[in-house]
Amino acid sequence: DAGVTQSPTHLIKTRGQHVTLRCSPISGHKSVSWYQQVLGQGPQFIFQYYEKEERGRGNFPDRFSARQFPNYSSELNVNALLLGDSALYLCASSFQVYEQYFGPGTRLTVT
Amino acid sequence: GEDVEQSLFLSVREGDSSVINCTYTDSSSTYLYWYKQEPGAGLQLLTYIFSNMDMKQDQRLTVLLNKKDKHLSLRIADTQTGDSAIYFCAERRMDSNYQLIWGAGTKLIIKP
Repeated sequence: DAGVTQSPTHLIKTRGQHVTLRCSPISGHKSVSWYQQVLGQGPQFIFQYYEKEERGRGNFPDRFSARQFPNYSSELNVNALLLGDSALYLCASSFQVYEQYFGPGTRLTVT
Repeated sequence: GEDVEQSLFLSVREGDSSVINCTYTDSSSTYLYWYKQEPGAGLQLLTYIFSNMDMKQDQRLTVLLNKKDKHLSLRIADTQTGDSAIYFCAERRMDSNYQLIWGAGTKLIIKP
């Protein structure tokens, strides 16, 4: 069975640009969460979606937005990129609320 | 992850047991997790424990939970070179709206 997939694997953007990151959950999983992991730190929660509805939002500015599609895949959008947005962006899917399975992440570098 | 604390490094000899410790602050936490992250990779769920349990064992992994002291530990028996990774402790709080709160991770170093 395929695990959580994310695209792209790596991305380099310039300050002020916009980026869209994509995630496909494990088949049968209806919940997707997004996390930001800065080098040397644990992940920070950004969003959680269940059945296309936002169920949770972390302490991130409005430049960060997300959505979930009818097939349960998800996009994370970040506008007006800052150098501090450089990080590994992780997507996790879950069937049961207490289990989250992570994808390999998208490494975003902002220059 | 400032509310979940872990030591940054642990060094053990191959074949010995590794014990990775974590302290958390919220007594309402419902589930506590251990994840493993290898270089350049995502996070692998190793095991989790519900807050009404004291211990959980899964092959070489043993999780101990002390709710009174808000202390969680992960013991890896017969540590192998493939266990080299960063190990993250995370908690799910009752009021957290599904999000996980993470520690900064413990880097496990295996000496031959």
